Amino acid sequence: EVQLVESGGGLVKPGGSLRLSCAASGFTFSSYSMNWVRQAPGKGLEWVSSISSSSSYIYYADSVKGRFTISRDNAKNSLYLQMNSLRAEDTAVYYCARDRHPIAAAGRGDAFDIWGQGTMVTVSS
Amino acid sequence: AIRMTQSPSSFSASTGDRVTITCRASQGISSYLAWYQQKPGKAPKLLIYAASTLQSGVPSRFSGSGSGTDFTLTISCLQSEDFATYYCQQYYSYPLTFGQGTKVEIK
Repeated sequence: EVQLVESGGGLVKPGGSLRLSCAASGFTFSSYSMNWVRQAPGKGLEWVSSISSSSSYIYYADSVKGRFTISRDNAKNSLYLQMNSLRAEDTAVYYCARDRHPIAAAGRGDAFDIWGQGTMVTVSS
Repeated sequence: AIRMTQSPSSFSASTGDRVTITCRASQGISSYLAWYQQKPGKAPKLLIYAASTLQSGVPSRFSGSGSGTDFTLTISCLQSEDFATYYCQQYYSYPLTFGQGTKVEIK
C-alpha cells in the first residue's frame, strides 16, 4: 500500500524548533519529488516547501524561507522539515505529499496524489 | 506569486444537484491546475489534474475544464459523500498556490 506517515509534531514555544518527519512506503520514494503543505486551524491549504527526487531543486514559501529547511534521505525513504524560529502563525497541521508524476517539468510543480494523515504543530507560550 | 481565487466561498446544495465551482488564476497557468476534495479532519484527496484529467478511482460525476486563467470543477449529480470543501491549486510555477476553498454544504 502506498503510504505517507508524518511524525514529530507537538507543542513548542515561540522561537523554538521542531523537526517533522514523513516516512514513505509502497512506492519508489527516490523517484518522486516531495512536498510539505500546511493548514492552520479552520483555514485553507498553504504550500510550504518542495524538494526534487535527488534534492537538486528546493523551493520554499516566502512565509518560511530562512526559517524552515526541507531535506530527504532516499536510503531511509524519509522526508524531513526542520522548523526553526517558530511563530504563532506557524501553528497548523502539516502534511507531506507526493508529486503525482515521477518526472516533473523543470521549474514546475505537480499535483499531489498521495498525502499523509498530517501532524499538528502548535506554537504557543 | 500567482493568486488563485475560487467562487463561491461556500454554498448549499441538495443531493442530485449539478454544481459548479470556479477558480481563476491571476495570470495564465496553461492547464497546470489540480482540484482537491477535503473532508473535516482528513487529508485532501486529488480529484483532477491537468485541469481536466480525472485521477484514478475518482467517480465520473466529477469533471474539470478550462485553461489559461479560468477553470471549473463540476459535479454532475451531487451525492451525500460529496459534501466537503474543494480547493484548486496551480502548479505552473513556484510558489505553488491554492485557492481559498469552496465549502459545499447540505441544503
